[in-house]
Amino acid sequence: AQKVTQAQTEISVVEKEDVTLDCVYETRDTTYYLFWYKQPPSGELVFLIRRNSFDEQNEISGRYSWNFQKSTSSFNFTITASQVVDSAVYFCALSYGNQFYFGTGTSLTVIP
Amino acid sequence: DTGVSQNPRHKITKRGQNVTFRCDPISEHNRLYWYRQTLGQGPEFLTYFQNEAQLEKSRLLSDRFSAERPKGSFSTLEIQRTEQGDSAMYLCASSLGDRGRGEKLFFGSGTQLSVL
Repeated sequence: AQKVTQAQTEISVVEKEDVTLDCVYETRDTTYYLFWYKQPPSGELVFLIRRNSFDEQNEISGRYSWNFQKSTSSFNFTITASQVVDSAVYFCALSYGNQFYFGTGTSLTVIP
Repeated sequence: DTGVSQNPRHKITKRGQNVTFRCDPISEHNRLYWYRQTLGQGPEFLTYFQNEAQLEKSRLLSDRFSAERPKGSFSTLEIQRTEQGDSAMYLCASSLGDRGRGEKLFFGSGTQLSVL
């Protein structure tokens, strides 16, 4: 069975602090994809990153970085120098076949 | 606007009434998905279409739910005899349907259903 766990329900940080959002997944499949989506108050989920199971190289995009470790089945997301606009709910998701399995999300609040 | 469009944004209905939601995907996308999201939860898969064919349905999709995608363009999701437990955000997503390659989903802003 596929499962995604985001243990952090809510996180608050002060602007300019770094913050890491944790994601742990379960799957028996060797070929799968991992995603992070951002859901601002407007409701629309916005794609942030996609990673396939054969590519463990970490990625950096501006203030965002992702750490994928198959050994611990984790795909963590770090925001450096957080900004108020980063306030949103962030979802980690596992894709296998035709379905996405989303975690329960982490609500991030960045305090000015 | 070339994104995924959903209408209405909000729907309030009384228990027992029927409701219908519409989704217009990104024009060149051949796959269309419906998800349901309740407060504090991630989106849960309901069903998806490849062009006009409905290829998969979740066990969450009871007999009161029906989805269509005539001509492989827009899609509608109808809920008959609504129940209070149907209250949720209904999200539509579309993709290019590059099967097996971790297709990226593009989501609409959703339709928030409240059943009184």
